[in-house]
Amino acid sequence: DSGVTQTPKHLITATGQRVTLRCSPRSGDLSVYWYQQSLDQGLQFLIQYYNGEERAKGNILERFSAQQFPDLHSELNLSSLELGDSALYFCASSVGPAGFYNEQFFGPGTRLTVL
Amino acid sequence: TQLLEQSPQFLSIQEGENLTVYCNSSSVFSSLQWYRQEPGEGPVLLVTVVTGGEVKKLKRLTFQFGDARKDSSLHITAAQPGDTGLYLCAGEGQAGTALIFGKGTTLSVSS
Repeated sequence: DSGVTQTPKHLITATGQRVTLRCSPRSGDLSVYWYQQSLDQGLQFLIQYYNGEERAKGNILERFSAQQFPDLHSELNLSSLELGDSALYFCASSVGPAGFYNEQFFGPGTRLTVL
Repeated sequence: TQLLEQSPQFLSIQEGENLTVYCNSSSVFSSLQWYRQEPGEGPVLLVTVVTGGEVKKLKRLTFQFGDARKDSSLHITAAQPGDTGLYLCAGEGQAGTALIFGKGTTLSVSS
């Protein structure tokens, strides 16, 4: 158990819908990262927050957004869903944003299926 | 754009064999991490290397960071079925930038 929790574990929805994925980081970790993993693209970095502020952006679509709340939990919002958004979505957390403090601990993931 | 290439993509071996997985880039990384992921679960951090030429051992696993900090290898001695999984390398570019992940090596060890 990494100490990172993600809900829900599975999510099945239809095209055009909007969903919210939730992540609670390990106790004491200030950085939260979101990743998308699909068979053909591998693990793709989406976005990082550090202590409530957006720190880095990766290949995140405009239809996707995220935030980190004062209690440090984070939510990833996916809207206008398309079939191609079906994937595993992972949240990871680390103590800080760089170096050894960037050692990331991953949650169990949310499997999103868009029908 | 920094890229990490992992090879081989797939590896299927018998219990007791040795193997090496490679992670290569044309870019320099300030640190490099190796993760192992099992189906349906999140990646689990195995090791972080930060110094060029550094070698770290974790039981039967040996990790090496290249002298120029552009490449890394993972060597497994006497592989066991429990080593089966997806091995991912991830590099940090300039300090503070997000990790870049390779696409991984899928290892299958049969008894």
